[in-house]
Amino acid sequence: DTGVSQDPRHKITKRGQNVTFRCDPISEHNRLYWYRQTLGQGPEFLTYFQNEAQLEKSRLLSDRFSAERPKGSFSTLEIQRTEQGDSAMYLCASSSRESRGVYNEQFFGPGTRLTVL
Amino acid sequence: GQQLNQSPQSMFIQEGEDVSMNCTSSSIFNTWLWYKQDPGEGPVLLIALYKAGELTSNGRLTAQFGITRKDSFLNISASIPSDVGIYFCAGLYRSEGSYNTDKLIFGTGTRLQVFP
Repeated sequence: DTGVSQDPRHKITKRGQNVTFRCDPISEHNRLYWYRQTLGQGPEFLTYFQNEAQLEKSRLLSDRFSAERPKGSFSTLEIQRTEQGDSAMYLCASSSRESRGVYNEQFFGPGTRLTVL
Repeated sequence: GQQLNQSPQSMFIQEGEDVSMNCTSSSIFNTWLWYKQDPGEGPVLLIALYKAGELTSNGRLTAQFGITRKDSFLNISASIPSDVGIYFCAGLYRSEGSYNTDKLIFGTGTRLQVFP
């Protein structure tokens, strides 16, 4: 399967614990995005990388959140001192530069469902 | 965060019927995308629209990019049970500066239920 993969698919943790999620984008996609989706809502942008550079962070991304993409391939999203409000689906997407020089189509992974007790 | 207005919120239809849903925004977008999401899964890209007025089909799906660039609609013809799911529109927001930022702004979703 050459799509976007995410691990783990589900994570249950206690409030105050740290959690880390991994995303493997489609091979050779140089842009990688993180979104968060709460129940009954559409996904909301968190941050994105072009290669290893993190180019934008949403105001939704508090200082307890950190994302990395050390070699420009896979990415990790870490949440420190989790709170119940962090419970959500965390989605990763990737895209590649099209012939017109734009990045239009984003392809999503299956997501990581986080439950904070 | 910002979300686009999508309607209807939910639809309950009989197999074989046609379905129409739309998405509106107060902002202009240069690209509109339509996704389908099944429970517990990530969104799957259905159709991408790049130009105002563009009408694009993908099998039984047809989508249009509104002339004002502030809206889009999706039609599904002859619905089947596997069409069940949540449909999201998304506008691609691009800001330009020292680098180009692009991120998707999603709609609130239309939940489709198809009865045999």
